[in-house]
Amino acid sequence: ETTLTQSPAFMSATPGDKVTISCKASQDIDDDVNWYQQQPGEAAIPIIQDASTLVPGVSPRFSGTGFGTDFTLTIYDLESEDAAYYFCLQHDNLPWTFGQGTKVEVK
Amino acid sequence: EVQLVESGGGVVQPGGSLRLSCAASGFTFRTYWMSWVRQAPGKGPEWLANIKRDGSKTSYVDSVKGRFTISRDNAKNSLFLQMYDLRSEDTAVYYCATVRGDTGDYGVDYWGLGTLVTVSS
Repeated sequence: ETTLTQSPAFMSATPGDKVTISCKASQDIDDDVNWYQQQPGEAAIPIIQDASTLVPGVSPRFSGTGFGTDFTLTIYDLESEDAAYYFCLQHDNLPWTFGQGTKVEVK
Repeated sequence: EVQLVESGGGVVQPGGSLRLSCAASGFTFRTYWMSWVRQAPGKGPEWLANIKRDGSKTSYVDSVKGRFTISRDNAKNSLFLQMYDLRSEDTAVYYCATVRGDTGDYGVDYWGLGTLVTVSS
């Protein structure tokens, strides 16, 4: 089973900041990582697929990078609407596993 | 627009059973693999099970294998999770989700809002 270690668990940032969230896998998982955003009271939505592909309709301020074991979600020019819970998923092997999630607060 | 609405959650005693349902709309349900995912309080999400488009293939995480059964009714655009022998550690919000890709290999895609299951005496 692949463990995903996501960090930080919580971060507080100011509008306009650049935010980075890390997801580290316990074994090589190629680029088989998706990132999701869940805003309070809403369903989770995919924002990045296969490590770096932006889901159509998602703001280009979101960017995903990484391959193998280290993956990063970056939010550029943070906006108040980006306040949400973000988490990663590996779909390289079953059981699919998730990171613990990161709550992003916008001051 | 993809819509997934879970129902059937509630409070159940340890050792009890519960059947969750997920009503799908806004997409061609029979052409999608589907998943159940749960999230316990204060923890990250946990993938539970997948089911192939025609229901002919299923996969489970070890923690629920033998206790939970995923199924679907394509005529009614519905996904189900039958849960037996429930334990306190099964307390969580349960989500149904679409799976990306024709082979069911690309992770979950769109999620519902979830239904809360509480296992407590």
